[in-house]
Amino acid sequence: QKEVEQNSGPLSVPEGAIASLNCTYSDRVSQSFFWYRQYSGKSPELIMSIYSNGDKEDGRFTAQLNKASQYVSLLIRDSQPSDSATYLCAVKASSASKIIFGSGTRLSIRP
Amino acid sequence: EAGVTQSPTHLIKTRGQQATLRCSPISGHTSVYWYQQALGLGLQFLLWYDEGEERNRGNFPPRFSGRQFPNYSSELNVNALELEDSALYLCASSLEWDNEQFFGPGTRLTVL
Repeated sequence: QKEVEQNSGPLSVPEGAIASLNCTYSDRVSQSFFWYRQYSGKSPELIMSIYSNGDKEDGRFTAQLNKASQYVSLLIRDSQPSDSATYLCAVKASSASKIIFGSGTRLSIRP
Repeated sequence: EAGVTQSPTHLIKTRGQQATLRCSPISGHTSVYWYQQALGLGLQFLLWYDEGEERNRGNFPPRFSGRQFPNYSSELNVNALELEDSALYLCASSLEWDNEQFFGPGTRLTVL
């Protein structure tokens, strides 16, 4: 079992709709969770970090964390073509541990 | 605030040579991380340096090594290059023990 799992996609969503990206992790003691966006040929860009159960909103982005289910998700409202990218889920057990990245979900927003 | 910088942008080497990649963290950040991203694959953790010391190491052979300088910049060295070392090498930095990592633009290494 991979430590951080994501559906590789591609996930195709019409412009203006909500894109929902999901991630599960195996280490129950994980404390910190991150979503990165990576455009083709570019480096990852931090979108959101979440540390507590529940929802965290930032503009069109909402991160949701459920530690009991070992599940973290990212919702993108009013999807735009510029949101087309690979989204990486990352999990960290503690301050002293390394971040584990998922393999990413490729999102495509169709006009 | 300047972001993480990496040099060179591109590097072409032949099999068996050595490659040196450089990274300067965001001002005030003391931790530097190195990752390898082969074409179409995910991020693979290589090394983590903090305050000049190696804190953690990924599952890579010893020919991948590095160091962190007193000004917190870092260097990744890859000895005895192999064709499969061709990849985008990413450096990230964070505040001491802080969780959020910020990435540089990467160095694309091509081994011929």
